Amino acid sequence: QSVLTQPPSASGTPGQRVTISCSGSSSNIGSNYVYWYQQLPGTAPKLLIYRNNQRPSGVPDRFSGSKSGTSASLAISGLRSEDEADYYCAAWDDSLSGPVFGTGTKVTVL
Amino acid sequence: EVQLVQSGAEVKKPGESLKISCKGSGYSFTSYWIGWVRQMPGKGLEWMGIIYPGDSDTRYSPSFQGQVTISADKSISTAYLQWSSLKASDTAMYYCVRLLPSPRLPDYWGQGTLVTVSS
Repeated sequence: QSVLTQPPSASGTPGQRVTISCSGSSSNIGSNYVYWYQQLPGTAPKLLIYRNNQRPSGVPDRFSGSKSGTSASLAISGLRSEDEADYYCAAWDDSLSGPVFGTGTKVTVL
Repeated sequence: EVQLVQSGAEVKKPGESLKISCKGSGYSFTSYWIGWVRQMPGKGLEWMGIIYPGDSDTRYSPSFQGQVTISADKSISTAYLQWSSLKASDTAMYYCVRLLPSPRLPDYWGQGTLVTVSS
């Protein structure tokens, strides 16, 4: 069902910068905002980035989002052990007239 | 503070019916769409459908149309997800979410309800 493609995994050592990609199409990322969610182990997802690059109150500025064309990226700088989680991108899809999620990326802190 | 509180875990047998709930508080329940998201064990997030409690306008993802029923009772600020005949493949964690006005994507999530279907 996922129409947004993410790499299955990403990893880094503490302090490093990790980037996660999210690839879509003209009907979703290409024409709408991208959102990112963080799912810590055993918990519900949480909104991490909205409207491509905005952080909700309480989200550290180590997390940043960007979008270009039909792709988007989430960057985590100064990686910390507590960032070990699954990350999902999401966008509205004009063709489906509904929201779509990415396939998810598991971030491991080595 | 916005909160979505879901009903507790359920263990059911194939063929049984089930209705789980999601109670919203801390905001105007009738002014925001509510959605349901499925997460099968070890898998990603899947949209199931959405409902506008103000007028009960409901939309289903094609994958879930006819498989579940989404409803809401605005008098008690509660949304529901219902099955008439469960299958083992319905075993999953189910999350309710509050959707932003535009685009209709989640900003708040419930804690999740684990549904286990096993004979």
